[in-house]
Amino acid sequence: TQLLEQSPQFLSIQEGENLTVYCNSSSVFSSLQWYRQEPGEGPVLLVTVVTGGEVKKLKRLTFQFGDARKDSSLHITAAQPGDTGLYLCAGARGGGYQKVTFGTGTKLQVIP
Amino acid sequence: NAGVMQNPRHLVRRRGQEARLRCSPMKGHSHVYWYRQLPEEGLKFMVYLQKENIIDESGMPKERFSAEFPKEGPSILRIQQVVRGDSAAYFCASSPPSSSEAFFGQGTRLTVV
Repeated sequence: TQLLEQSPQFLSIQEGENLTVYCNSSSVFSSLQWYRQEPGEGPVLLVTVVTGGEVKKLKRLTFQFGDARKDSSLHITAAQPGDTGLYLCAGARGGGYQKVTFGTGTKLQVIP
Repeated sequence: NAGVMQNPRHLVRRRGQEARLRCSPMKGHSHVYWYRQLPEEGLKFMVYLQKENIIDESGMPKERFSAEFPKEGPSILRIQQVVRGDSAAYFCASSPPSSSEAFFGQGTRLTVV
């Protein structure tokens, strides 16, 4: 089983602060995805990164895929209460979605 | 274009009863995946199905759990003789063929009392 470790596991910050969430593995992935899941809802895909070293921005969210395609980070600038949720990374090994492995999750709480 | 539809959203069963969870994939998606999520945890893969075929059930418990995706109608995850440890959120996702991206439903929260 290819394990994806996320850190920190829990994060509680004040509105306006910046934060970074990490997703690490010893395995190489063909692509990596980030999801946000709100309480009582299903995960919603935020971004897919494919190329080693790739950086993608989604408003205040910046996603980076490691050069070796083993790790990724999510940076949020000026966090807002609407960013509260469970952030999940998921690594794909190619060949279809059944090969996707989900990370352990980071639960973020942004306090107004 | 409707998203992935799961029903019921909440299901309460007594120990020993059967639970049937339904998933209708997005239009045009022929691949369905079922996941289980315990509180404060990530998603654990259970089974991958295409129409009328189980492709990968490596994450399914050997007993009491079964899944199907018939030619017509939704995919069904069936849990027989439920136990308290089956209480969890069960999510379904669908994707087009050979895609590494999938879209999730809102889940069914099963509570066994």
